[in-house]
Amino acid sequence: AQSVTQLDSQVPVFEEAPVELRCNYSSSVSVYLFWYVQYPNQGLQLLLKYLSGSTLVKGINGFEAEFNKSQTSFHLRKPSVHISDTAEYFCAVRGGSNYKLTFGKGTLLTVNP
Amino acid sequence: GAVVSQHPSRVICKSGTSVKIECRSLDFQATTMFWYRQFPKQSLMLMATSNEGSKATYEQGVEKDKFLINHASLTLSTLTVTSAHPEDSSFYICSATSGTGDLGAFFGQGTRLTVV
Repeated sequence: AQSVTQLDSQVPVFEEAPVELRCNYSSSVSVYLFWYVQYPNQGLQLLLKYLSGSTLVKGINGFEAEFNKSQTSFHLRKPSVHISDTAEYFCAVRGGSNYKLTFGKGTLLTVNP
Repeated sequence: GAVVSQHPSRVICKSGTSVKIECRSLDFQATTMFWYRQFPKQSLMLMATSNEGSKATYEQGVEKDKFLINHASLTLSTLTVTSAHPEDSSFYICSATSGTGDLGAFFGQGTRLTVV
């Protein structure tokens, strides 16, 4: 079984500031890791994913994440945020060949002017 | 990227009635679809997994007779909330995968169900 912990339920930042959203996971098998963004009353949009290979993954909208196996982390970063980045962000893990995703509780990123 | 269309986006129904939500994969064949439920300001809870042509597999605690899932074709899965009650009001989201490669989760836009 897998589990995901998003350490911050809310992260307020000012526009053009850098941001890091933290995600830790636990699993007894090799995992695939994902970050999704959800805007109000909408579904989830995939930001980026780690499957294998390079531990630094670049995604859409200027986001990137780094997979750290020893620390079982997959933190999401952006060097300079925009007002439009205000949304809920979910970290998710998938174990092995099972396509089911386990989600963290989400982090609400609020970008203030 | 792959497109998953969910319909309707919003629905209001009376208590005791049933409501059907559709989830379609528009440009790929979805061998597996997932249905999630999301409570306000909370994460997504997996309700069930459906494979085309097979009975859905429900997660523990999810009433299969209340949440009927049909996956009759490779592009369409439906979730029917039967005899809806106000506590069934929620945001329901589907996702679909072709089962190949890294395609794990393309999500629909979600359906806001309100039972009055």
